[in-house]
Amino acid sequence: DVKVTQSSRYLVKRTGEKVFLECVQDMDHENMFWYRQDPGLGLRLIYFSYDVKMKEKGDIPEGYSVSREKKERFSLILESASTNQTSMYLCASSLFAGGNSPLHFGNGTRLTVT
Amino acid sequence: QQQVKQSPQSLIVQKGGISIINCAYENTAFDYFPWYQQFPGKGPALLIAIRPDVSEKKEGRFTISFNKSAKQFSLHIMDSQPGDSATYFCAASSTTSGTYKYIFGTGTRLKVLA
Repeated sequence: DVKVTQSSRYLVKRTGEKVFLECVQDMDHENMFWYRQDPGLGLRLIYFSYDVKMKEKGDIPEGYSVSREKKERFSLILESASTNQTSMYLCASSLFAGGNSPLHFGNGTRLTVT
Repeated sequence: QQQVKQSPQSLIVQKGGISIINCAYENTAFDYFPWYQQFPGKGPALLIAIRPDVSEKKEGRFTISFNKSAKQFSLHIMDSQPGDSATYFCAASSTTSGTYKYIFGTGTRLKVLA
């Protein structure tokens, strides 16, 4: 089974802090994604990466950046955390390119910015 | 045109009843329609998916019905069980556009009463 592991289950950070969310997958998947989940808004794509050192903006990239130095690891960075970034963050991976490759999600990191 | 509209937002069903969740899309380039199931504290997981060349797909108690002309698809859960209580997301993607993006609906929280 594919395992996508997010390093923290809960995080509490202060406004203005730099925040790192880490994600590791163990199945040699090409593609990795960061989503944000908010009630009533569903899952919204922040950034994705289809190869090491490659990244593409999703639908809501403002205030975020990403890093993919190794194939198995994809980091989401909040350069200066703000209260409107309080949310559940979900990392996902998929095996191959193409819009029908199933997404495998981690269990999420609930971030609170105070 | 990129939206996927999902309804209802929440649903309560008696054990043994039928749960129905509906989704509608606008973009005719979408050609892959998965449903994801998310239990509390877990990430979403692929439940069932359909392509528009068929009008129905059934896996156990879960059925997707697809109406291409109306640009609508729905998830039916037959003989609903308390263990089906979860949040369900529909999604859509294009397998020919060269992108890797899924567009998710806003989610339906299903509660099945024992």
